[in-house]
Amino acid sequence: DTEVTQTPKHLVMGMTNKKSLKCEQHMGHRAMYWYKQKAKKPPELMFVYSYEKLSINESVPSRFSPECPNSSLLNLHLHALQPEDSALYLCASSQGAAVYPTNEKLFFGSGTQLSVL
Amino acid sequence: TQLLEQSPQFLSIQEGENLTVYCNSSSVFSSLQWYRQEPGEGPVLLVTVVTGGEVKKLKRLTFQFGDARKDSSLHITAAQTGDTGLYLCAGAGREDSSYKLIFGSGTRLLVRP
Repeated sequence: DTEVTQTPKHLVMGMTNKKSLKCEQHMGHRAMYWYKQKAKKPPELMFVYSYEKLSINESVPSRFSPECPNSSLLNLHLHALQPEDSALYLCASSQGAAVYPTNEKLFFGSGTQLSVL
Repeated sequence: TQLLEQSPQFLSIQEGENLTVYCNSSSVFSSLQWYRQEPGEGPVLLVTVVTGGEVKKLKRLTFQFGDARKDSSLHITAAQTGDTGLYLCAGAGREDSSYKLIFGSGTRLLVRP
């Protein structure tokens, strides 16, 4: 199994809603990532978990709350989002712990296309 | 802040033509990766180059890492419609005491039949 599975594929939410994005991998990877990608732009790193601990937070607003319940799962909890948060949210994983000069191969999921109304 | 600039930003060519995409930075990277992303999907890794001057071939795609490890190029020979997508270079480097993968600005390629 070389897949990173993200659910849901599409999500529409209002600014007062609370929702969660889910990501799962069963490759035994030790690092998991959340990226945000606006249309026609490259992915922007949001969070990195290494060995289930948050190792990088790219100054992401607190309305985005990551969680890593175990080594295979990564969640992104959303609350009180703004319309400008509408984007494709990508989860990725890599075998290494992402704390050394990384030549790691990132495996990406297909993403969750989020629309905030 | 380490930045990776890609050129061109957009390229529209006829099937069968050749093309080159460039990825440039003023910073040195320990390695450079190339990804292709199709609409509605996540990026998929094509290749990783590690050594300055390294050249790697993947069928009709040729990747080169600059001698100083600051730039890279992707050359596609006889492009096919299936090559259409967003091409992203990504450099592994150090920023704010953390090692991370930094994505380039992207090149959107359209191959017309």
